[in-house]
Amino acid sequence: NAGVMQNPRHLVRRRGQEARLRCSPMKGHSHVYWYRQLPEEGLKFMVYLQKENIIDESGMPKERFSAEFPKEGPSILRIQQVVRGDSAAYFCASSPGRGSGNTIYFGEGSWLTVV
Amino acid sequence: AQRVTQPEKLLSVFKGAPVELKCNYSYSGSPELFWYVQYSRQRLQLLLRHISRESIKGFTADLNKGETSFHLKKPFAQEEDSAMYYCALVSDYQLIWGAGTKLIIKP
Repeated sequence: NAGVMQNPRHLVRRRGQEARLRCSPMKGHSHVYWYRQLPEEGLKFMVYLQKENIIDESGMPKERFSAEFPKEGPSILRIQQVVRGDSAAYFCASSPGRGSGNTIYFGEGSWLTVV
Repeated sequence: AQRVTQPEKLLSVFKGAPVELKCNYSYSGSPELFWYVQYSRQRLQLLLRHISRESIKGFTADLNKGETSFHLKKPFAQEEDSAMYYCALVSDYQLIWGAGTKLIIKP
């Protein structure tokens, strides 16, 4: 089992461009979570998805950010019209189910730098 | 209730001495635990995760489910280890943070 795979590991975007971060969950996992680590703020929850459904997006900024987890293919975190404040590490995690007893496994993260 | 406890707000040790930063958790399932470090005037950095079982900057942490602990250890402290250290737990999918321990390494 290859683990949670994220790509790209590092992404540089100019202000106003779009950033797409991909996450392939572990085999057999249908629950995906996205977290963001901003400087000085530590890791924070963004969104929780189950195949084709957004379960909880309470941590997502209201504008420019969207996430999907299609029936086929990886989960995508999309940031439109990036700004310098979007520079952060974005971590994806997956689990086979939800709740205690279902360990969440993290990917290595994608580092977005907006210049 | 899920929570993370770092009992020491401040820990001061001499350079070369062993360091142990305590972290205890309360969680009903199998936890995913992290240690973060924040050096003076720098951003919070991920130090290590229990799942990856790696040693970063000489620090290690072992999950002890019996004692519900995830203590951070280093055999020989260095002056550059002075920083704030935070323990965090993933509960369901939300993160729960400890209050942090300030580590001071005396020369």
